[in-house]
Amino acid sequence: GAVVSQHPSRVICKSGTSVKIECRSLDFQATTMFWYRQFPKQSLMLMATSNEGSKATYEQGVEKDKFLINHASLTLSTLTVTSAHPEDSSFYICSAPLPGHPSLHFGNGTRLTVT
Amino acid sequence: GDSVTQMEGPVTLSEEAFLTINCTYTATGYPSLFWYVQYPGEGLQLLLKATKADDKGSNKGFEATYRKETTSFHLEKGSVQVSDSAVYFCALSGGSTGGGADGLTFGKGTHLIIQP
Repeated sequence: GAVVSQHPSRVICKSGTSVKIECRSLDFQATTMFWYRQFPKQSLMLMATSNEGSKATYEQGVEKDKFLINHASLTLSTLTVTSAHPEDSSFYICSAPLPGHPSLHFGNGTRLTVT
Repeated sequence: GDSVTQMEGPVTLSEEAFLTINCTYTATGYPSLFWYVQYPGEGLQLLLKATKADDKGSNKGFEATYRKETTSFHLEKGSVQVSDSAVYFCALSGGSTGGGADGLTFGKGTHLIIQP
């Protein structure tokens, strides 16, 4: 079964509003979670690394004030897209490394559409 | 549906050895092909890509050629370094079904260990 749960799977919002996306690790503790963005049929782009108990690390070119990340606990990280605009419409996906395992575990992703 | 098969690890090599990580795929249409790398403790990064048959993607000394006739996208490097130790994922996009991400289908990953 899935080891990383992401919610919601789809969201439609109006320009100027904020949207929160949750990423939960199931049955394990994740001190680190990763947030990615993907445009249709393109590669994943790492946006930021979420660290429990400390500030997130953002990749170059990603606006930290626009994409707020909060790693609230060892099983939950949230990404908030603030004051969303149509160009923020994309597919957002999180992943969390399972301790002691090299493989990736993704959430199912969130399709954000800003109208 | 689409699928990606890659050799499972761990693959252990000595520094300066030649590296090949095999990747084959099944997909409808004309997918784009990718190799991603995940270094210890870091997020997934795009290593290289190829969007059509016979294209060669290259980056950081790694190469992979899109072979439609053999449905393969094998990753190669002539001389590996300890810093290449990571997990490598082959993926395709633009096929008929999605996988771990929207429209992307990933292989299970190959753990590469380079010893000095």
